[in-house]
Amino acid sequence: TQLLEQSPQFLSIQEGENLTVYCNSSSVFSSLQWYRQEPGEGPVLLVTVVTGGEVKKLKRLTFQFGDARKDSSLHITAAQPGDTGLYLCAGARWGNKLVFGAGTILRVKS
Amino acid sequence: DSGVTQTPKHLITATGQRVTLRCSPRSGDLSVYWYQQSLDQGLQFLIQYYNGEERAKGNILERFSAQQFPDLHSELNLSSLELGDSALYFCASSARDSAYNEQFFGPGTRLTVL
Repeated sequence: TQLLEQSPQFLSIQEGENLTVYCNSSSVFSSLQWYRQEPGEGPVLLVTVVTGGEVKKLKRLTFQFGDARKDSSLHITAAQPGDTGLYLCAGARWGNKLVFGAGTILRVKS
Repeated sequence: DSGVTQTPKHLITATGQRVTLRCSPRSGDLSVYWYQQSLDQGLQFLIQYYNGEERAKGNILERFSAQQFPDLHSELNLSSLELGDSALYFCASSARDSAYNEQFFGPGTRLTVL
């Protein structure tokens, strides 16, 4: 059983559509990070959220940390083919270890 | 380019063998993390070193070991290899000793055990 459940596992959409990826847990995290990984490369950090209820925006990407710090979402507006990749959420639990979700594979078709 | 380098990029070996994966962290980063990524297990934390000392352990098998040297580069040693050890192995580094800190990942080493 994954400590962090990501949904959906796969998402295939047309360019210009909006989408939301969810990251849920029954555990509380001190912080939560979102990464994007392209084939053959390592994950690249997109954002870190720390405060319950926090919302961060990165151009067309909006990240939200749940009030109880147990869940997070990533919303992409007007998706582009360049957004294609594996999106990973990772939680920190007042320690040094990051726990990763299984990831959401996003494919944006032009 | 994250600034983290890993060698080799690809490694093909046989069951029962031993291999060493190498990682050089970003300049100035003191923490090094090792992860294993496979299709069925996702990205799993193995072990962390901070300034030469082991700081945290994850799902690392007893057949695996790691160390961080005085120049801060790190090596992950995998021995008595099994088919199931085939995976991508990533190294990441961060400036300090905390999961709050941004971790920069290297390009990974793809290990294939035949």
